[in-house]
Amino acid sequence: DAGVIQSPRHEVTEMGQEVTLRCKPISGHNSLFWYRQTMMRGLELLIYFNNNVPIDDSGMPEDRFSAKMPNASFSTLKIQPSEPRDSAVYFCASTEQGFLNSPLHFGNGTRLTVT
Amino acid sequence: AQSVAQPEDQVNVAEGNPLTVKCTYSVSGNPYLFWYVQYPNRGLQFLLKYITGDNLVKGSYGFEAEFNKSQTSFHLKKPSALVSDSALYFCAVRAANTGGFKTIFGAGTRLFVKA
Repeated sequence: DAGVIQSPRHEVTEMGQEVTLRCKPISGHNSLFWYRQTMMRGLELLIYFNNNVPIDDSGMPEDRFSAKMPNASFSTLKIQPSEPRDSAVYFCASTEQGFLNSPLHFGNGTRLTVT
Repeated sequence: AQSVAQPEDQVNVAEGNPLTVKCTYSVSGNPYLFWYVQYPNRGLQFLLKYITGDNLVKGSYGFEAEFNKSQTSFHLKKPSALVSDSALYFCAVRAANTGGFKTIFGAGTRLFVKA
């Protein structure tokens, strides 16, 4: 079990540029979550998918953020255009759909710095 | 609305002493409660969960947690702390939501174990 894989681990970009973060969930997990972690706001749920379908995107900060899950093994979180306040660590997590007692499995995150 | 509170930003304890990290929750219906640990530059790792049954739950690395329904608490405990337990600890509640299950995290408590 390779775990949840995120790429890149670090991303440094200039304000206004497009940023794409990638996630490969654990095979067989049907639910995928994107979280953002900052010192000020802690861990925030941005969006989650069940069976590749977005269920709740109420945590997405604004229209500059978008997420897709084209298949069961891949998801992207895109920020366009990026701003310095988007600097944070972005985590992807997966779990088995339909089981309230299933814990989340997190990737090691992408540390995004927007200058 | 579901919520989780971790009243302490930091807990300091000497190695060998017992430790407690506090968590209280608010959720409609039966609570599904979790503890996670985060080490530097890593994603969150699952420690233990409470679903139903025995109020004392045992988990990884010698940690346990006590569920108290009347006080709506789920405190994390360990009889004898190790320096290597120093990390950031998150309490979380899983709740049913339209179309899926959201996991809400507390703000986190930093545990510092002094040798």
